[in-house]
Amino acid sequence: NAGVTQTPKFQVLKTGQSMTLQCAQDMNHNSMYWYRQDPGMGLRLIYYSASEGTTDKGEVPNGYNVSRLNKREFSLRLESAAPSQTSVYFCASTIVHEQYFGPGTRLTVT
Amino acid sequence: GEDVEQSLFLSVREGDSSVINCTYTDSSSTYLYWYKQEPGAGLQLLTYIFSNMDMKQDQRLTVLLNKKDKHLSLRIADTQTGDSAIYFCGVISSGSARQLTFGSGTQLTVLP
Repeated sequence: NAGVTQTPKFQVLKTGQSMTLQCAQDMNHNSMYWYRQDPGMGLRLIYYSASEGTTDKGEVPNGYNVSRLNKREFSLRLESAAPSQTSVYFCASTIVHEQYFGPGTRLTVT
Repeated sequence: GEDVEQSLFLSVREGDSSVINCTYTDSSSTYLYWYKQEPGAGLQLLTYIFSNMDMKQDQRLTVLLNKKDKHLSLRIADTQTGDSAIYFCGVISSGSARQLTFGSGTQLTVLP
């Protein structure tokens, strides 16, 4: 099992560009999550999907959209990137009481 | 909403015990977690405790929960240089659709 995988690992965008961060899990988990990590602020929830076909906003959803493509895949889209979205983005999936994280995507917006 | 607080830094000598502390605000919190993050990596689940437990031990790790004070701690026995990392406390509150609220992380430095 690869667990939770994320692509790309690194990305540099110019302000106003768009991109999609990809996440996939092979553990047959129902729930999936997107977080951002900023220095000194821990992880903050952007969006989550409790099950295939459903998505809900987390703590910091503005400027992002998500798609739960199927049970395995949960993507995060930045329609018009801003420097404030420079961060490390983590995808996670949950089985019962255990949440597992991907390795992260380091995004810089200039 | 839930608020989770941790101290930012902790330094210990190799071979000593480390104690990382966390406080939270929501008394309905159901599951409480400790994650480890090494440089450039994602979060690794270390252990978790259910709110009806006071203590959980897993090899060198001991988790203590004081529900009255809303205080969670992680003790690492015989701390090694490989334990140097950022440790995050995470809390799930009842009815939160399994959303984890994290503290800002404690940077543990193990000195030789």
